[in-house]
Amino acid sequence: GAGVSQSPRYKVAKRGQDVALRCDPISGHVSLFWYQQALGQGPEFLTYFQNEAQLDKSGLPSDRFFAERPEGSVSTLKIQRTQQEDSAVYLCASSTAGGPSSNEQFFGPGTRLTVL
Amino acid sequence: EDKVVQSPLSLVVHEGDTVTLNCSYEVTNFRSLLWYKQEKKAPTFLFMLTSSGIEKKSGRLSSILDKKELFSILNITATQTGDSAVYLCARKGSSGGSNYKLTFGKGTLLTVNP
Repeated sequence: GAGVSQSPRYKVAKRGQDVALRCDPISGHVSLFWYQQALGQGPEFLTYFQNEAQLDKSGLPSDRFFAERPEGSVSTLKIQRTQQEDSAVYLCASSTAGGPSSNEQFFGPGTRLTVL
Repeated sequence: EDKVVQSPLSLVVHEGDTVTLNCSYEVTNFRSLLWYKQEKKAPTFLFMLTSSGIEKKSGRLSSILDKKELFSILNITATQTGDSAVYLCARKGSSGGSNYKLTFGKGTLLTVNP
């Protein structure tokens, strides 16, 4: 596609519900990243995939957060038993190369999650 | 720590003014410095700076990196209302050794009034 797309754009969940957020990276991009952006803050790193391998999940805030990219393209970020503090914009980004050679990351429009 | 500090946090100017946005970072495992513009949606890439003292320019926007003093500036000349956005600075590379991770500052909210 022309850019990174994410769905849904907005999600409202009741506390305790599970949610799944989808990211379609730019076709052919090896690297995929998830970030969490709270109101008034910069994005914070959650996790990194190179193709289908999740190489870094050090930013996931708890074991309620789980991400996958089974075929090395589309990725899903799942949050189980959502809490109010999970309310944020979840951004996905992709880039062409992996590892030290990776260049700029291209971001999707984000999913705004509101947990009531 | 991989802290990135941006200043000012917000700025209001009139069309035609010139603005300078600041970004300072910590040095450990620094790879490069990136600037993004964020309106109400995806952050859009502006510049990536790796070498000190080399200005990058795109239209009315320019940026430079000082690796000795550990900061970067983003200049916007002849501002327009369409420049109103949050400008994010990010460093690539972390003290933990990862060379891909972006650490962002809180951003500078720029408002350009007509």
